[in-house]
Amino acid sequence: EAAVTQSPRNKVTVTGGNVTLSCRQTNSHNYMYWYRQDTGHGLRLIHYSYGAGNLQIGDVPDGYKATRTTQEDFFLLLELASPSQTSLYFCASNNRGQDTQYFGPGTRLLVL
Amino acid sequence: QQKVQQSPESLIVPEGGMASLNCTSSDRNVDYFWWYRQHSGKSPKMLMSIFSNGEKEEGRFTVHLNKASLHTSLHIRDSQPSDSALYLCAASNTNTGKLTFGDGTVLTVKP
Repeated sequence: EAAVTQSPRNKVTVTGGNVTLSCRQTNSHNYMYWYRQDTGHGLRLIHYSYGAGNLQIGDVPDGYKATRTTQEDFFLLLELASPSQTSLYFCASNNRGQDTQYFGPGTRLLVL
Repeated sequence: QQKVQQSPESLIVPEGGMASLNCTSSDRNVDYFWWYRQHSGKSPKMLMSIFSNGEKEEGRFTVHLNKASLHTSLHIRDSQPSDSALYLCAASNTNTGKLTFGDGTVLTVKP
């Protein structure tokens, strides 16, 4: 099974703080995705990428930036964190659009 | 507006019973449907996928798809307590690779 890791696993910050969430996949997948999951909601797509240097806008992008520095690494940036961004964040990857997405273990973010 | 609707929101079935979950997309550009299962405190894992009209069976799990109505359903027979989880339906457009998830159905299987 594809290996997707995320760091940190838990993060607490204050309103207005700067946060970077990291995701790494070691299966040379082309596509990588960032989702958030809130109680009562499924997964909502924030940003995704087709490959190094590529970025696509997802369904809930406001307040988030992302950067795909290499085939393996995809970062999610919250430059002015707000309490509404308190959530569970998942990274996922796959090789082609019609392939199964493999999810990382998640990062729980609390913005005070 | 929510493009993938799932029902019911929650479902309780007895051990050994049949669980039936439903999902409909309002986006006519989708061409693949997915069912992911997420146990409490864990990440989602793909359970089944379907892109052709009809039925697909894998063990105790059967998925149906009606492409005309963009409706899919997941049926779990002989449900086990270990099947208790959040079941997420997703629809994708394979040109973009983008998955849109529903809000999920919480299944509880009572021993």
